[in-house]
Amino acid sequence: ETGVTQSPTHLIKTRGQQVTLRCSSQSGHNTVSWYQQALGQGPQFIFQYYREEENGRGNFPPRFSGLQFPNYSSELNVNALELDDSALYLCASSLRSGGMGNEQFFGPGTRLTVL
Amino acid sequence: GIQVEQSPPDLILQEGANSTLRCNFSDSVNNLQWFHQNPWGQLINLFYIPSGTKQNGRLSATTVATERYSLLYISSSQTTDSGVYFCAVDTDAGNNRKLIWGLGTSLAVNP
Repeated sequence: ETGVTQSPTHLIKTRGQQVTLRCSSQSGHNTVSWYQQALGQGPQFIFQYYREEENGRGNFPPRFSGLQFPNYSSELNVNALELDDSALYLCASSLRSGGMGNEQFFGPGTRLTVL
Repeated sequence: GIQVEQSPPDLILQEGANSTLRCNFSDSVNNLQWFHQNPWGQLINLFYIPSGTKQNGRLSATTVATERYSLLYISSSQTTDSGVYFCAVDTDAGNNRKLIWGLGTSLAVNP
């Protein structure tokens, strides 16, 4: 069973640039969630994708967008980068089934630095 | 929205000591997960525990959903247990299974 993978591991960008982060979900999972974790904080929910559609969004502006592909992998895109976007970006995959909560499994994260 | 509070915020232990970490949440939840975040940022699943008690080696967890709290027990702590322990709850928000996180307990185990 393959775990959740993310790429790249580290990234340095400058203000105003755009970035794309990638996530491959765990084998057998159909749902991907993205979280932003600032230093010293708990992760904050950005959005979730299920069957290639956005299925819920946190308090993040529209310049944060995403995609999910037929193989359930996902991308997070951030436009017009700001200094405050510097953070660890975490991807989690889960198997959505029924109406109950589903255990989420996390990738190693992408550490983004915006200069 | 739901609030998740963890205590203590920081904890320093000598190797071999036991500890209890607490997570309080302000509303009913579908699920609760405990994670250990290592110094490189990787979140490691410890327990998926909406209610009841589970044990895994030196770690165990108990969630009392009716009283809105969960406890994580670490026995005979080792230096490799150092890191941040997070509690995260899965809100009852229809099909949107997002996790709401506490601020974590930062644990340092000294040799």
